[in-house]
Amino acid sequence: GAVVSQHPSWVICKSGTSVKIECRSLDFQATTMFWYRQFPKQSLMLMATSNEGSKATYEQGVEKDKFLINHASLTLSTLTVTSAHPEDSSFYICSAGPPSAVKNIQYFGAGTRLSVL
Amino acid sequence: GNSVTQMEGPVTLSEEAFLTINCTYTATGYPSLFWYVQYPGEGLQLLLKATKADDKGSNKGFEATYRKETTSFHLEKGSVQVSDSAVYFCALSAAGANSKLTFGKGITLSVRP
Repeated sequence: GAVVSQHPSWVICKSGTSVKIECRSLDFQATTMFWYRQFPKQSLMLMATSNEGSKATYEQGVEKDKFLINHASLTLSTLTVTSAHPEDSSFYICSAGPPSAVKNIQYFGAGTRLSVL
Repeated sequence: GNSVTQMEGPVTLSEEAFLTINCTYTATGYPSLFWYVQYPGEGLQLLLKATKADDKGSNKGFEATYRKETTSFHLEKGSVQVSDSAVYFCALSAAGANSKLTFGKGITLSVRP
């Protein structure tokens, strides 16, 4: 099946620094990728839709200047958490769907746990 | 807008017990429906799917039937195993390619030996 790789799996950073998370589709091209945030024992909340070659579409309430998304190629999307603060600590997950897949199946990365000190 | 409602958890069962996890949805048109599973320390994995009314998705002994009349997609398994302990998410995707997923809150299943 399709594979989505996410890196790093865990990152610890100091408050005020920026952190970049990568999401790669390893064996297919993805014109669209999705970024989610998951709080402990809660569901996934969609943050934004990453579109290759154009600006990301952010969900209501998500700060686009805080969470920068770049989808520079058909296999790579990045999420940069700028000037991170402790409240940004969370589990971030990306997903992508092969264009030829059966209707709307998304494949998920293993997630990145961000801890801001 | 679209929404997914899952039964409240957590759920604790003994091995070989019957499992039902309820899921209902609200959506316009004919969405695709999914169950995803998240094992401890891992990312989400697609468990099963159904793309039209009356379709039955099945995988690893789990089944769910797309019921348009009751807008439901309940997950069932006849005999659970300890290895089924995980968080289960019901989700829907609207018609159209690369549509975003709307998730339920998820439910934690713990299976005792």
